[in-house]
Amino acid sequence: KAGVTQTPRYLIKTRGQQVTLSCSPISGHRSVSWYQQTPGQGLQFLFEYFSETQRNKGNFPGRFSGRQFSNSRSEMNVSTLELGDSALYLCASSWGPPQSNQPQHFGDGTRLSIL
Amino acid sequence: DAKTTQPNSMESNEEEPVHLPCNHSTISGTDYIHWYRQLPSQGPEYVIHGLTSNVNNRMASLAIAEDRKSSTLILHRATLRDAAVYYCILRDDYNQGGKLIFGQGTELSVKP
Repeated sequence: KAGVTQTPRYLIKTRGQQVTLSCSPISGHRSVSWYQQTPGQGLQFLFEYFSETQRNKGNFPGRFSGRQFSNSRSEMNVSTLELGDSALYLCASSWGPPQSNQPQHFGDGTRLSIL
Repeated sequence: DAKTTQPNSMESNEEEPVHLPCNHSTISGTDYIHWYRQLPSQGPEYVIHGLTSNVNNRMASLAIAEDRKSSTLILHRATLRDAAVYYCILRDDYNQGGKLIFGQGTELSVKP
């Protein structure tokens, strides 16, 4: 059974650009969450989607956005990139809706570097 | 969000049991206790979770104190592959959805 797939694995951008990251959940999983991991702040929750609707949002500026498609695949977008956005972006999927207490299954992330 | 406290690091010898402690004195009645681990260069991996009773699965055991203010993740026989950062997380799905609030975790090293 294929795991969570994130593309691309590595990305280099410059300040002011925008970027889109992609996540394909495990087949049959309908919830997708996104996290940011940095050495200083650790793992921080960005947002959570279920049935194409954002169900939960972390404390990040509006430059960070996401969406989920009808096949449960998800994308996140960061506009007007800043140096501090350099991080590992992780996607996680789970089978049920957010209240179902299902374990989350993580991909190996997209490493974003801002020059 | 309820907080957890874990030691920054622990050491273990290969093939010996490991007990990873977690304190969560402000836990609420709707918080589940989840454990995840993150191996180097990988995303976090689900280990186990529980509410009140002790739990076992193929990876580990979770022992929960009677007052639920602390818990212990038990790896019965540590292997080199178990070297990772272990996160103890309180998750309140009913009120907060499925988000995971990660702390700093415990970095476990395993010596051959």
